[in-house]
Amino acid sequence: QKEVEQDPGPLSVPEGAIVSLNCTYSNSAFQYFMWYRQYSRKGPELLMYTYSSGNKEDGRFTAQVDKSSKYISLFIRDSQPSDSATYLCAMSVGYSSASKIIFGSGTRLSIRP
Amino acid sequence: DAGITQSPRHKVTETGTPVTLRCHQTENHRYMYWYRQDPGHGLRLIHYSYGVKDTDKGEVSDGYSVSRSKTEDFLLTLESATSSQTSVYFCAISGSGTGGPSSYEQYFGPGTRLTVT
Repeated sequence: QKEVEQDPGPLSVPEGAIVSLNCTYSNSAFQYFMWYRQYSRKGPELLMYTYSSGNKEDGRFTAQVDKSSKYISLFIRDSQPSDSATYLCAMSVGYSSASKIIFGSGTRLSIRP
Repeated sequence: DAGITQSPRHKVTETGTPVTLRCHQTENHRYMYWYRQDPGHGLRLIHYSYGVKDTDKGEVSDGYSVSRSKTEDFLLTLESATSSQTSVYFCAISGSGTGGPSSYEQYFGPGTRLTVT
């Protein structure tokens, strides 16, 4: 069983829809949760990170962590064609450059104009 | 791409040949990482470096070696390439030394597509 599970999609939604992307994990020691966005043929870029449980909002993006269920989500409001990308969840136990980050396999998202 | 370049960007090689991939950064970050990305597996850490000549293994290090003789360069070597090492390889950097989120965030390079035939 993988430490981090993520539905690979693809997920296709119309422009303007609310998108929900999710990951589950098995290691209860994870405390730092991240979402990376990866455009085709590019390297991943950090979109958001959260610590422990709760919500964090940044513009149209909201990250949510439920540690009791070992479940994290990324919501995208008013989705745009430019949001079409692969979204990878990631998590780690510690918060330092030495902490190993475990990545999900990514969900491919397509926003239809 | 946060001052990270990878070379070559594409390479096709034959089974059994040695291959070296290069990661170069201009940001003076202390930490450098090599990942591979495969369908269904996401990004998996191969090796990382926490300073010149200081390296450690990651999750999938078998068949790979690394070297870091200068802060700005981190080399990944496949000593005898196999078809299972066909993948996209990403380099990442981290650790600006300032503390806080910006020092922890990993910045990724553009990737190298390697095909082993």
